[in-house]
Amino acid sequence: NAGVTQTPKFRVLKTGQSMTLLCAQDMNHEYMYWYRQDPGMGLRLIHYSVGEGTTAKGEVPDGYNVSRLKKQNFLLGLESAAPSQTSVYFCASSFWGTGYNEQFFGPGTRLTVL
Amino acid sequence: QQPVQSPQAVILREGEDAVINCSSSKALYSVHWYRQKHGEAPVFLMILLKGGEQKGHDKISASFNEKKQQSSLYLTASQLSYSGTYFCGTRGTGTASKLTFGTGTRLQVTL
Repeated sequence: NAGVTQTPKFRVLKTGQSMTLLCAQDMNHEYMYWYRQDPGMGLRLIHYSVGEGTTAKGEVPDGYNVSRLKKQNFLLGLESAAPSQTSVYFCASSFWGTGYNEQFFGPGTRLTVL
Repeated sequence: QQPVQSPQAVILREGEDAVINCSSSKALYSVHWYRQKHGEAPVFLMILLKGGEQKGHDKISASFNEKKQQSSLYLTASQLSYSGTYFCGTRGTGTASKLTFGTGTRLQVTL
């Protein structure tokens, strides 16, 4: 099992460019999450999904969109990148609801917006 | 609102003990603890559910006081491998499916 994988690992964008980050999991998990991590801020939830075809907003959703067309994939899109979106992005998944189940994290994507 | 962790950072010598606290302003259903080493992804340590149960994993244990909305992580006889940043993640009683993470406690264990 590969667990949770993220593509790409690193990316540099110019302001205004768009990109999509891909998260894939092979554990048949229902729940998937996108976080951003900035120095001193911990992990902040951007969007999450409780199943195929569903998405919901987290704490910091502005400037991002997501899609979950297949159960194993969760895509995070930046339509018009801004320097404030420079961050490390982590995807995570869990079997069922977060109350009882651990979250498995991917290795992260380091994004720089110039 | 993010839970508050204390201390923000701590330096220990190998073999010493440490306590990391996590405090929330809202009623909690569960508390998760994760450890993240530099440049790596967070890794799950344990979950504590409403009920005040204390959990343990090797020399790392934790408690959850639901009345005070607080959790504490206890690291006993610390090892070099314990170094990293520890995060608590809380799930409120009214919120399903998602965690709110604290800002982290950086722990460094030295010889």
